[in-house]
Amino acid sequence: DGGITQSPKYLFRKEGQNVTLSCEQNLNHDAMYWYRQDPGQGLRLIYYSQIVNDFQKGDIAEGYSVSREKKESFPLTVTSAQKNPTAFYLCASSMDGVNYGYTFGSGTRLTVV
Amino acid sequence: QKEVEQNSGPLSVPEGAIASLNCTYSDRGSQSFFWYRQYSGKSPELIMSIYSNGDKEDGRFTAQLNKASQYVSLLIRDSQPSDSATYLCAVIGRGSTLGRLYFGRGTQLTVWP
Repeated sequence: DGGITQSPKYLFRKEGQNVTLSCEQNLNHDAMYWYRQDPGQGLRLIYYSQIVNDFQKGDIAEGYSVSREKKESFPLTVTSAQKNPTAFYLCASSMDGVNYGYTFGSGTRLTVV
Repeated sequence: QKEVEQNSGPLSVPEGAIASLNCTYSDRGSQSFFWYRQYSGKSPELIMSIYSNGDKEDGRFTAQLNKASQYVSLLIRDSQPSDSATYLCAVIGRGSTLGRLYFGRGTQLTVWP
C-alpha cells in the first residue's frame, strides 16, 4: 500500500544533540513538507520541497535543515541551534502541491530530556 | 502571510445533530480549499476538498465555498461521537507561495451521546 512513513514514532534528544527524523513516501509525489505542531499553535511549516535537489524555507526554518536527494525521501535534522525542539513533527507529501491536498505521515514526537 | 481563521470553538453538539464549522481566508484569489480531521495524538487526515463556489457533498459531510465572501464551511450531518476531533481548514497559496498549504488553528468538535 502506498503511503508516507515517518520514523521513529518517539524520539528523545539530549541538550546540544542533533537528531534526524526520517520521512519516506512511495506515492510518487513530487512535493514534500515538514510541519511542526505545538499545542494551541496549529501547524507551522518548517521546510518544503517541490522537486528533487531543491527545497525552500518555511516560516520557522531556523535550527532545522533538510535534504532532498531522492524523490522518495525528505529527512529533517533538528540541530542544537533549535532551542525549543519539543513538538510533534509531521511530514506530508502532495502530487503537485497545487491541486491536491497533502497526505500526512503518522508523525514523530520529539522530546528534549 | 496568508491568513486562515477558524471559529475558535470548542464546539459541542449532541449525537445526531448538524455540526457547522467555519473558516475565512484573507487571499481573495485563493482557488483550492481543504478540510482535515485530526484525532488527538494523530496526524491530520484529508476529508474534503473544494475548488468551486457552492456545495460539495460526500456522505455526511458537505463543504461549502463562497469566494466572494471568502469563507469555506464544513457541515457534518447526523454527527456521531466518532466525529469528535479537531477540524483544520487549509488553503493553497498562490504566486511565490504556490504549493504551500496554509492551515487554520483548528476547531475542536465534541459530539456527545
